[in-house]
Amino acid sequence: QQPVQSPQAVILREGEDAVINCSSSKALYSVHWYRQKHGEAPVFLMILLKGGEQKGHEKISASFNEKKQQSSLYLTASQLSYSGTYFCGTEKGGGGADGLTFGKGTHLIIQP
Amino acid sequence: DARVTQTPRHKVTEMGQEVTMRCQPILGHNTVFWYRQTMMQGLELLAYFRNRAPLDDSGMPKDRFSAEMPDATLATLKIQPSEPRDSAVYFCASGTRDFNEQFFGPGTRLTVL
Repeated sequence: QQPVQSPQAVILREGEDAVINCSSSKALYSVHWYRQKHGEAPVFLMILLKGGEQKGHEKISASFNEKKQQSSLYLTASQLSYSGTYFCGTEKGGGGADGLTFGKGTHLIIQP
Repeated sequence: DARVTQTPRHKVTEMGQEVTMRCQPILGHNTVFWYRQTMMQGLELLAYFRNRAPLDDSGMPKDRFSAEMPDATLATLKIQPSEPRDSAVYFCASGTRDFNEQFFGPGTRLTVL
C-alpha cells in the first residue's frame, strides 16, 4: 500500500514555512523521508521509528503519529536549497532496513 | 567519499533487446535495493538483497526481469526482452541494518524504442 502525501506541490518564498504530510493505511514501523533534486538521486533526510527515535542529517524536524499512521515533515525558514521533491517511504517489512514503498512525492519550489 | 556506482548511466536500446544494469554498493553495506522511477508510477521498489540473498523481488515483472548479486561488490538487474514500457530511471541503493539510511546511486536512464 503506497503512502499518501499532501500537498502535491507547494510554492514558497524564501524564509516561509512548509509542512508535508504522509499517511498510510497500514500500521507503520517507521517512516523515511528523502529529497530529490531534478535529475539527481534521492537523498536521505531522516527516519522516524516507532517509539520516538529519530535519525537524520539535517536541521529538519518531523513527527510520527503511530496511532494515526501519519508523519509530517516541517521545513522552517525555508532556503532556496530546500527546493526539490520530497518523498516519504514506508517499509515493506518491519526490520528497520527493508525496501521502501514511496509516496508520489511533494514538489517544493522556493522562490527568492 | 564512498558512493554507490551504477553503469551504464544512459542506455538506449530497441524493443526486444537484452539490457543489463550494474551496481557497485558501498563497501561494507550488506543490503542492496533496486528501484525504478517513472513520471506515472513514481519511485517503485523492484527487489532487494541482504548479504547477497534475495529478500523480496515481488515488485519485478518476473517473466522478463531478473536480479542477482554474483558477489558482495556487484549487483545486476537484467531485462530480457526489453519493452518500451520499461523506459525509466533505475536506481540502485545500498545500506546496512545498523543505520537505516539508503544511499542511492546516480541511476541508469533506460530508453527502449
